[in-house]
Amino acid sequence: DTAVSQTPKYLVTQMGNDKSIKCEQNLGHDTMYWYKQDSKKFLKIMFSYNNKELIINETVPNRFSPKSPDKAHLNLHINSLELGDSAVYFCASSQGRWAGPPGNTIYFGEGSWLTVV
Amino acid sequence: GEDVEQSLFLSVREGDSSVINCTYTDSSSTYLYWYKQEPGAGLQLLTYIFSNMDMKQDQRLTVLLNKKDKHLSLRIADTQTGDSAIYFCAERGILTGGGNKLTFGTGTQLKVEL
Repeated sequence: DTAVSQTPKYLVTQMGNDKSIKCEQNLGHDTMYWYKQDSKKFLKIMFSYNNKELIINETVPNRFSPKSPDKAHLNLHINSLELGDSAVYFCASSQGRWAGPPGNTIYFGEGSWLTVV
Repeated sequence: GEDVEQSLFLSVREGDSSVINCTYTDSSSTYLYWYKQEPGAGLQLLTYIFSNMDMKQDQRLTVLLNKKDKHLSLRIADTQTGDSAIYFCAERGILTGGGNKLTFGTGTQLKVEL
């Protein structure tokens, strides 16, 4: 069973469209994250939610809106897509907000490849 | 602020040792990590080291930490083709409002040649 699952895995869309990426974790974790990996492989945190409460919001355009209907899900909605949004988006989760081993390993999903044309 | 730097590429022959280096800026980092990303996959935790340690060994992996210079390295002994991947170092920083986050380095692409 996949611990952190994201859908879709691949997404190609036109500029200006609105799209969502869904994430679900079946680990019973309280904290979930979205990371963005650009074409140069730089990996940056975007958001973090703990028990549906936003705890990290890095400098991300407000076209990006995370939504956490429950603590097992953290979806990423992107409005008015731009070429620069093309990247791989990783969802992750950990037991608590004090993220990182030992005792609180972050588990990553397999990534969603977004291409904006 | 946090900043984590790595060299972008490393190429080694199978059977040789690989050394991947990382420098970081946040002196309050309590833990430092190494993650591996295989093609088309997410990040997988390889190993970590507590900031008051100098060295940690885990089978073929050796982590060295020079806290004074804020330098972290990962040595892979007897490198195999299956070790070809991108390796990320990461530091754990504390958030003002409680909790923490991981800041990742730029990643090092390791290529193992026969």
